[in-house]
Amino acid sequence: IQVTQSPTSLSASLGETVTIQCRASEDIYSGLAWYQQKPGKSPQLLIYGASSLQDGVPSRFSGSGSGTQYSLKISSMQTEDEGVYFCQQGLKYPLTFGSGTKLEIK
Amino acid sequence: QIQLVQSGPELKKPGESVKISCKASGYTFTDYAMHWVKQAPGKGLKWMGWINTYTGKPTYADDFKGRFVFSLEASASTANLQISNLKNEDTATYFCARYNSGYYFDYWGQGVMVTVSS
Repeated sequence: IQVTQSPTSLSASLGETVTIQCRASEDIYSGLAWYQQKPGKSPQLLIYGASSLQDGVPSRFSGSGSGTQYSLKISSMQTEDEGVYFCQQGLKYPLTFGSGTKLEIK
Repeated sequence: QIQLVQSGPELKKPGESVKISCKASGYTFTDYAMHWVKQAPGKGLKWMGWINTYTGKPTYADDFKGRFVFSLEASASTANLQISNLKNEDTATYFCARYNSGYYFDYWGQGVMVTVSS
């Protein structure tokens, strides 16, 4: 299953709402997760099952979608949200990741 | 608390081998599969495969068949990745990650940077 993530990069102002999209090549039945990665660190789970918030993740992060289309929303951009975001489908092997979205503060 | 602690950075020459370890703590090791993910410098994440920590059976993604071996030291709650006949394109950070039955990675190791250079 191919996962196409967009945009490749974006910059947002503090407090702005940010949306990142992932499109799967076939229905993945909400088997999608979102991760945040900061430079030199391992990815951290944000969202699983397309819309479930991982424990400890701020509520400004939310996920939605179904079928082949999914999105991650940050409702109020904060400085600490800078990083690279990846989506990952877990429905079928081989597991596949989106190519990543680099998010920066404007 | 749950932790995956990986071994340290490696500098190798082409043709050599390397073995990376991933020690789990804070949970029952055999209850969760362990996966491996490659990240080349400045690039995205690539799934390498996984090992069943109960049976020890490994499964490899197509691009990682042949020179890559997943193994366990179950008594030590440790998963290992061995890469033989290293090539320049193996230069990357390698992560171990615990796979939750809900189809996602809930805990990751800190990553091991492997540099292959003559």
